[in-house]
Formats: sequence, structure tokens, C-alpha cells
Amino acid sequence: QPVLTQSSSASASLGSSVKLTCTLSSGHSSYIIAWHQQQPGKAPRYLMKLEGSGSYNKGSGVPDRFSGSSSGADRYLTISNLQSEDEADYYCETWDSNTPVVFGGGTKLTVL
Amino acid sequence: EVQLVESGGGLVQPGGSLRLSCSASGFTFSSYAMHWVRQAPGKGLEYVSAISSNGGSTYYADSVKGRFTISRDNSKNTLYLQMSSLRAEDTAVYYCVKAERWLQSGCDYWGQGTLVTVSS
Repeated sequence: QPVLTQSSSASASLGSSVKLTCTLSSGHSSYIIAWHQQQPGKAPRYLMKLEGSGSYNKGSGVPDRFSGSSSGADRYLTISNLQSEDEADYYCETWDSNTPVVFGGGTKLTVL
Repeated sequence: EVQLVESGGGLVQPGGSLRLSCSASGFTFSSYAMHWVRQAPGKGLEYVSAISSNGGSTYYADSVKGRFTISRDNSKNTLYLQMSSLRAEDTAVYYCVKAERWLQSGCDYWGQGTLVTVSS
């Protein structure tokens, strides 16, 4: 089954941009992933689905500041003009025929 | 508007049982696969179980296989998770999650979660 690797933490300043990375395991570099955001004390929220081509589709109400891109086995979530409410845990997710859901370990984003 | 409302969580002793429910609205429930995902205190997200739209296919994480049973009642727009032989390590917030369509299509809506605490 695919494995997703994420950095445990990241930080960036208010108003700046940050790029979070999710890396697919060997042999799974073409997989589609999804990004989810979990603000402190809240349930996760779906942000977008991201293909290996870099094409992405965002969920309802997701601000334009959030975008996705891809390079090889890496899937990126870029957040521009960081706001305080963007401080959250970010999880990537994928799936295959044997496992309906696989999550990465999550990245804790701190807005300075 | 899609809404997923979990219920049934609480405190249970090790070895005990509990049934979680998830009431769905705002979409044609019978057309979508559904998932249960849990999160232990201070930890990341962990897939628990999944069920196809008609209930004919089910999946379980190895950690719960043989102890948990997922089911659904499409006439009541409700998803269930029957949990038995509960262990301390099952303590977590349990989320009901809608699939984008099929079992292998990603998750796109989350419930608010229900807390299960396994302790004596």
C-alpha cells in the first residue's frame, strides 16, 4: 500500500507564503492525494484533491489563498498571505484498491 | 449542505462494547461510500473502517479487524460502527467521513466527531 511522508512541523510569518510537502512512496508517484486541514480543537476539513499533473479541485468555501501543485512523487499545498486561522495541522490522504484511506503523519503549521 | 452528526461515544470499560451512529443529511446517502476515521489524543488521523454505498463491501484496519463491524441503513441515512472487545488504545475521537463517491475516491466531508474513552 502507498505510504505518505510529511514533515512534522513548519512555520512561516503572518502575511507570507508557505509550501507544505507530502511525498508518496516508491511505486506510487502517480497517485492522487487529498489535503485536509485541522484547526486546533476542531474536526478536519477537506481542502482539495490534487493529481500528479498538478491539477487540483478545491472543496466548497476553501479560500483562493490555498493552492496545490505536484512534482514527481511530491504533492504540495501552498498557502499564500498566511492568516492566523491557518495555524493548524495539515494531513494528506491517498487510497488504492486494497486500502480505501491512507493518511500521512500530518504537518503542524505555526504562523509566527 | 452536507451534515454528518456522530453519536454514541462515551466511557466504557476495557473489554466492553459500544455502538457509534452517524446521521447523514444534505446528500443522497445511498450513493456514497462512507468511512470511520479516529484520532487518539494528541495523535494523527487513523483510518478505521469503510463501507461501500450499498453495504456490499467493507474494509477494516488491521488494528480493529475482528472486533469492529461497520454497517449502514440507507433507509435511515445512518452509518454505524459496532465496537466490541474494546481496549485502552481504542480511546479516540471517532469521525464519520463521507467519500467523494466510491470506496477509493478520497474523503470530502467530516463529522464533528464523538469521543470514545476506554478505561476502568
